Amino acid sequence: EAQVTQNPRYLITVTGKKLTVTCSQNMNHEYMSWYRQDPGLGLRQIYYSMNVEVTDKGDVPEGYKVSRKEKRNFPLILESPSPNQTSLYFCASSSGGRNYTFGSGTRLTVV
Amino acid sequence: QKEVEQNSGPLSVPEGAIASLNCTYSDRGSQSFFWYRQYSGKSPELIMFIYSNGDKEDGRFTAQLNKASQYVSLLIRDSQPSDSATYLCAVIAGGSNYKLTFGKGTLLTVNP
Repeated sequence: EAQVTQNPRYLITVTGKKLTVTCSQNMNHEYMSWYRQDPGLGLRQIYYSMNVEVTDKGDVPEGYKVSRKEKRNFPLILESPSPNQTSLYFCASSSGGRNYTFGSGTRLTVV
Repeated sequence: QKEVEQNSGPLSVPEGAIASLNCTYSDRGSQSFFWYRQYSGKSPELIMFIYSNGDKEDGRFTAQLNKASQYVSLLIRDSQPSDSATYLCAVIAGGSNYKLTFGKGTLLTVNP
């Protein structure tokens, strides 16, 4: 089944404790992206990757890092999480800007 | 900042009626237009995409695009309670490296 898999689905952590949210796709898509969704603000892009070893900032990159060492994986790293990073996070992948597929989401709470 | 605007709603329609959802975008060079449905706490699900001016129909859904007016809409015919969700308009702007920019969504409620 073609899908984007995110883990974990839910995470509660403390301020400053490094964490990684994983994202993996099995569709051989070259394009992958991370979004966060907050009430009243909609979905905002954090980082994106056009292909292996090619990443760039989206609209709200502060406090996040990404890497793209393999085509299928695009982890999101929060090196020192803060409460304002409490949000619902989605990973998405696409081939050529079409057929965007979203993961199931990760609900992160930073206390 | 390239923007996508939607009426936040809520939009309430009776079962069986036509629901009309609207979206405007700021970048005249935008190329691709998408409608997603999102249930609360779930991931966005693609309903329709449209690239050319005019109408595109798929079952009960019709997307309409007017590039001159920078306007895209979604019509849902014979609305069902299961259509109750937030509908997200998304746009890929010209030269944007495939970036999907989303509107904030319109909450649709279909009343039985």
